Amino acid sequence: DTAVSQTPKYLVTQMGNDKSIKCEQNLGHDTMYWYKQDSKKFLKIMFSYNNKELIINETVPNRFSPKSPDKAHLNLHINSLELGDSAVYFCASSPGGTSAINEQFFGPGTRLTVL
Amino acid sequence: AQSVTQLDSQVPVFEEAPVELRCNYSSSVSVYLFWYVQYPNQGLQLLLKYLSGSTLVKGINGFEAEFNKSQTSFHLRKPSVHISDTAEYFCAVRVSGNEKLTFGTGTRLTIIP
Repeated sequence: DTAVSQTPKYLVTQMGNDKSIKCEQNLGHDTMYWYKQDSKKFLKIMFSYNNKELIINETVPNRFSPKSPDKAHLNLHINSLELGDSAVYFCASSPGGTSAINEQFFGPGTRLTVL
Repeated sequence: AQSVTQLDSQVPVFEEAPVELRCNYSSSVSVYLFWYVQYPNQGLQLLLKYLSGSTLVKGINGFEAEFNKSQTSFHLRKPSVHISDTAEYFCAVRVSGNEKLTFGTGTRLTIIP
């Protein structure tokens, strides 16, 4: 019974293509996140949504667009893929709220390889 | 803005030996501190967290960490490591009133049989 799931697990595609990664959490959490982990294992937050509303938007190319159809889902769409987009993308969720001290639960990751 | 420094990118340790993974943070306001573990080809899992109260925090798998405000550190320790502890360990900081979790660059712990 997976708490935070991502699909696909692996994604290999050509430069210039458009692709999406899906994330779903069944924990009833209000807040969801996307992180990018580069080849040196550095983990950096990209976006965060709280109840379908964008609350964190780090400096990320506008080719990356998050979409939250409901609070249990946060998808990541990437246009015009570039070689530098190759990385592992992690989705996470937490109960949310800036005054609450909440653990973030991570998905298993999606390894994106752009050729 | 807050930041986290993990000075050791790799730490090799013999099996059953003790280990300490170092983490220092920088912030001008109150912080909450976390250690996450990433086993090969898996997502991140919370090991332990410091929110307030006792500065010695115990986590899963026999790990513990000590919050030291004067030294702005949150080092992770285990008295006796096992082969299964081989993983990447990330220290992270969150500032009070902010959703954002900032991660260090990670320390790869390798256990030598």
